[in-house]
Amino acid sequence: EAGVVQSPRYKIIEKKQPVAFWCNPISGHNTLYWYRQNLGQGPELLIRYENEEAVDDSQLPKDRFSAERLKGVDSTLKIQPAELGDSAVYLCASSLDLAGGYYEQYFGPGTRLTVT
Amino acid sequence: GDSVTQMEGPVTLSEEAFLTINCTYTATGYPSLFWYVQYPGEGLQLLLKATKADDKGSNKGFEATYRKETTSFHLEKGSVQVSDSAVYFCALSGGAQKLVFGQGTRLTINP
Repeated sequence: EAGVVQSPRYKIIEKKQPVAFWCNPISGHNTLYWYRQNLGQGPELLIRYENEEAVDDSQLPKDRFSAERLKGVDSTLKIQPAELGDSAVYLCASSLDLAGGYYEQYFGPGTRLTVT
Repeated sequence: GDSVTQMEGPVTLSEEAFLTINCTYTATGYPSLFWYVQYPGEGLQLLLKATKADDKGSNKGFEATYRKETTSFHLEKGSVQVSDSAVYFCALSGGAQKLVFGQGTRLTINP
């Protein structure tokens, strides 16, 4: 079974430029997450989708970040314009949530963004 | 809000040494607790978990016991191997599928 796929793996851009990250979750997983991991820190949740609906985007900086999950499968996270402080690893995860409880989240390898 | 504090790294040990990585948490209610591992170049993987007080999670020789009285979930392994070199994250889930992570502990095992 294929894991969570993310692309690109690395991205270097200049500040004020736009950037987009793509995530393909594990087939059949209805819940998708985007996390940001700053250097030397643990991941922090940016947004969580249940199918097509964003059910928790409270930590997403909405002035410059946007995300979408069309058709409840793939997802794209965009930053426009990027700032130096956005340099981090952006992780995508997915899980199959049925009813209540906690379901294991499977993580992709991440996209390392460097803003110069 | 919920938070996790774990032992600062990096931690360097010799092969076959005993490992402890400390983790304490602050949460309302009764969270589930996890240890994730991140090997070089790979994504985070769930190593073990415990969902209620006094539960012991175990996997690949690693163990951690959910201690409600000390709000701790320390990771232990009796004899580490070079292949255990990785970054280890303690995390909790207080509900709504939201994971809160500690800052991570980098472990290096020397042969």
